[in-house]
Amino acid sequence: QLQLQESGPGLAKPSETLSLTCTVSGGSITRSSYYWGWIRQPPGKGLEWIGSIYYSGSTYYNPSLKSRVTISVDTSKNQFSLKLSSVSAADTAVYYCARHDWNDCWFDPWGQGTLVTVSS
Amino acid sequence: QSALTQPASVSGSPGQSITISCTGTSSDVGDYNYVSWYQQHPGKAPKLMIYDVTNRPSGVSNRFSGSKSGNTASLTISGLQAEDEADYYCSSYTSSSTHYVFGTGTKVTVL
Repeated sequence: QLQLQESGPGLAKPSETLSLTCTVSGGSITRSSYYWGWIRQPPGKGLEWIGSIYYSGSTYYNPSLKSRVTISVDTSKNQFSLKLSSVSAADTAVYYCARHDWNDCWFDPWGQGTLVTVSS
Repeated sequence: QSALTQPASVSGSPGQSITISCTGTSSDVGDYNYVSWYQQHPGKAPKLMIYDVTNRPSGVSNRFSGSKSGNTASLTISGLQAEDEADYYCSSYTSSSTHYVFGTGTKVTVL
């Protein structure tokens, strides 16, 4: 059974870079046709797609975040990572990683999520 | 690209059927059959319930069904149960540069 788990600091300072890693278990991140995505959810609010990556390194980003986002993949560790630069309080959210079917446009399964708070 | 529009809340009694709407535009819901629905219980990650407008992933109860008409997609829950109380989000591919857009979310309450 495929499982995803986010990890990383739960606190980031304003103007600094938020870094998170998603570890995939129960299956290979190199399986074809699937991308691997990041989605976030501010407290009490809705979902926002951040971006997705293919195991080859091909990426797609939400234009609203593109200038600050970098998603990378490490196939040797079956992991992919998110970096969000110049964070502010507006970036406080639960960050989820998920397998992303690019062709049919769905996300499943999801990691449990990790809360990142941006505060000095 | 604005979020897809969903009602803030929908409620029903056990055993009843309820329908949640998800309204988009001709750039997303109206022009593509890539609508998916997610269930989210408090403090938990979203769970895929419907994909490609009408398809249920393995393991999802057949009490959940999806449909689409024009720019509006719908999720119907039949035989409502207490465990169905959760937030529900729709999502769609969009031809805009955003690629994907989520709905505003609907809180389902079982009375």
